Amino acid sequence: QVQLVQSGAEVKKPGASVRVSCKTSGYTFTSYAIHWVRQAPGQRLEWMGWINGVNGNTKYSQRFQGSVTFSRDTSASTAYMILSSLRSEDTAVYYCARDRLPFLAGDAFDVWGQGTLVTVSS
Amino acid sequence: QSALTQPASVSGSPGQSITIPCTGTSSDVGSYNLVSWYQQHPGKAPKLIIYVGSKRPSGVSNRFSGSKSGNTASLTISGLQAEDEADYYCCSFAGSTTYVFGTGTRVTVL
Repeated sequence: QVQLVQSGAEVKKPGASVRVSCKTSGYTFTSYAIHWVRQAPGQRLEWMGWINGVNGNTKYSQRFQGSVTFSRDTSASTAYMILSSLRSEDTAVYYCARDRLPFLAGDAFDVWGQGTLVTVSS
Repeated sequence: QSALTQPASVSGSPGQSITIPCTGTSSDVGSYNLVSWYQQHPGKAPKLIIYVGSKRPSGVSNRFSGSKSGNTASLTISGLQAEDEADYYCCSFAGSTTYVFGTGTRVTVL
């Protein structure tokens, strides 16, 4: 079955960077885009962007442009999100989620990782 | 993009039906039939329950249904059950391969 398994919780100091991984299994990694979604404590879901499984192209929400970078390792069927220049406001659970359809024809996010809590504190 | 607007909370008694509206603009909900809905229980990852406005993934109860009129999409839960108590989020395609989520609605079963 399709699974997305994320890396464990992180605690970082302000100004640092963090990398969250999303290891996939059960499908052809290179055929589907992976989206990233943020949820601050007690707050709503926010769409951050995607990375295309086919060619590694990326798209970022304007809100996160410049502060986040997506990458992938096709040999490991794993997607990564790097958040840089962390601030306390970046404390949140970060989710990866798969596009429902292959080749960026998706219309929803059908399988989600379990989430990774990133805490930014001095 | 601004978040889609949802009521903060909706409640109902077991067996009743409730409807959660999700209001966007002509740039997102109004322009595309690509609204999805997610159910999120506390401490859990979201779960897809409706896509392309009204379709249910395999395994999702037919008590969940979706619709759209103009710039507003809606999720209806019929025959409300205790297990339906959760947060619900709408999400719309917003052009140029971008998406926007709603503000979220807490459903309480009385």
